[in-house]
Amino acid sequence: EVQLVETGGGLIQPGGSLRLSCAASGFSVSSNYMSWVRQAPGKGLEWVSVIYSAGNTYYADSVKGRFTISRDNSRNTLYLQMNSLRAEDTAVYYCARVLVVAGNSDYFDYWGQGTLVTVSS
Amino acid sequence: DIQMTQSPSSLSASVGDRVTITCRASQSISSYLNWYQQKPGKAPKLLIYAVSSLQSGVPSRFSGSGSGTDFTLTISGLQPEDFATYYCQQSHTKRTFGQGTKVEIK
Repeated sequence: EVQLVETGGGLIQPGGSLRLSCAASGFSVSSNYMSWVRQAPGKGLEWVSVIYSAGNTYYADSVKGRFTISRDNSRNTLYLQMNSLRAEDTAVYYCARVLVVAGNSDYFDYWGQGTLVTVSS
Repeated sequence: DIQMTQSPSSLSASVGDRVTITCRASQSISSYLNWYQQKPGKAPKLLIYAVSSLQSGVPSRFSGSGSGTDFTLTISGLQPEDFATYYCQQSHTKRTFGQGTKVEIK
């Protein structure tokens, strides 16, 4: 059974750093595309970052240069290192598996339960 | 970046109604368009991928259509469990979600 469990959220002051983890089971993180998606309180979904099986990484403009996505294949875990945090980064952060289908189309097929990050002094 | 615009932002409907939600991309995204359903406090759930392919286990009352820049999600015969927020998402360039459409009970 595929499962994704995020941890690492919490209250952090503006300018601080936090690392989120997403432990995967039932599949290999290294063989799949993996992504982070966030949702500010009462707001819509915002894509944050993706890491491809080959290791390529991409970011939303809103986090580029501040956030880093990575994975530990031995732990089958996805990470999001978040630096220089701002109040507007306050959100529930979800990790999601990205399934690639024919024609290079892809979609988020499995999601974690999310972890809340609150940036406030 | 590609912007995704959904309309309407919210709608009120009754059980049994046919509901249509529109999603427009700021540039052509071919068929790289997915739809998700989200209920309060829960992670999103995939409904439709690649414009019109129904995810396994999703009821057939959900359908999708479109190409290029204009796409539609249709719910034929709204059920009580369908009251939720719906998001479109493009995977043509990076990824982007629409702002969401909240379907409420009339």
